[in-house]
Amino acid sequence: AQTVTQSQPEMSVQEAETVTLSCTYDTSENNYYLFWYKQPPSRQMILVIRQEAYKQQNATENRFSVNFQKAAKSFSLKISDSQLGDTAMYFCAFIPSNTGKLIFGQGTTLQVKP
Amino acid sequence: DTGVSQNPRHKITKRGQNVTFRCDPISEHNRLYWYRQTLGQGPEFLTYFQNEAQLEKSRLLSDRFSAERPKGSFSTLEIQRTEQGDSAMYLCASSFTRDPSTEAFFGQGTRLTVV
Repeated sequence: AQTVTQSQPEMSVQEAETVTLSCTYDTSENNYYLFWYKQPPSRQMILVIRQEAYKQQNATENRFSVNFQKAAKSFSLKISDSQLGDTAMYFCAFIPSNTGKLIFGQGTTLQVKP
Repeated sequence: DTGVSQNPRHKITKRGQNVTFRCDPISEHNRLYWYRQTLGQGPEFLTYFQNEAQLEKSRLLSDRFSAERPKGSFSTLEIQRTEQGDSAMYLCASSFTRDPSTEAFFGQGTRLTVV
């Protein structure tokens, strides 16, 4: 079975601090793609960052970076210099090779406090 | 282009009624996906189209659910004989090319409440 597990239902962080959201996944595929999506309250889901499994280098996008550990099937998201606008639900997801569908985790609700 | 558009945004229906949702993808996107999201959970895949062909359906998509994408443009998702368990947010997403790493753009969803 292909699954994604986010073990932190809720997290909070002070503005300007750093927070790390955890994600583990299970797949028998060797090539796949990993994503973090952000869903602000009552707004559509948007892509935060993506990682291709065959690339060893961790992806970064401005204040967002990932720690990808392929052997451990772990894909955590680090948010640096947290901003109030980062308050949202964050979903870890992956696409198995040669399919188009996203398999999502349960989500982590992140609250950034002023 | 204003992104992926879904209509209606909200729908309240009585149990047993049929409902239909519409999704207009970003123009030129050849892939279109439907997901269902219940409160506090991650979206679950329902089905997807490449152009007008429906390539995969989840086992979550019972016989009461049907999706179409005529002419490879907009898509409709119909639920017949709605049940209370169908209450959820229905999300549509679209993407371009066959590259799985291509970003999928999501609509704001249609929230269905079955009473």
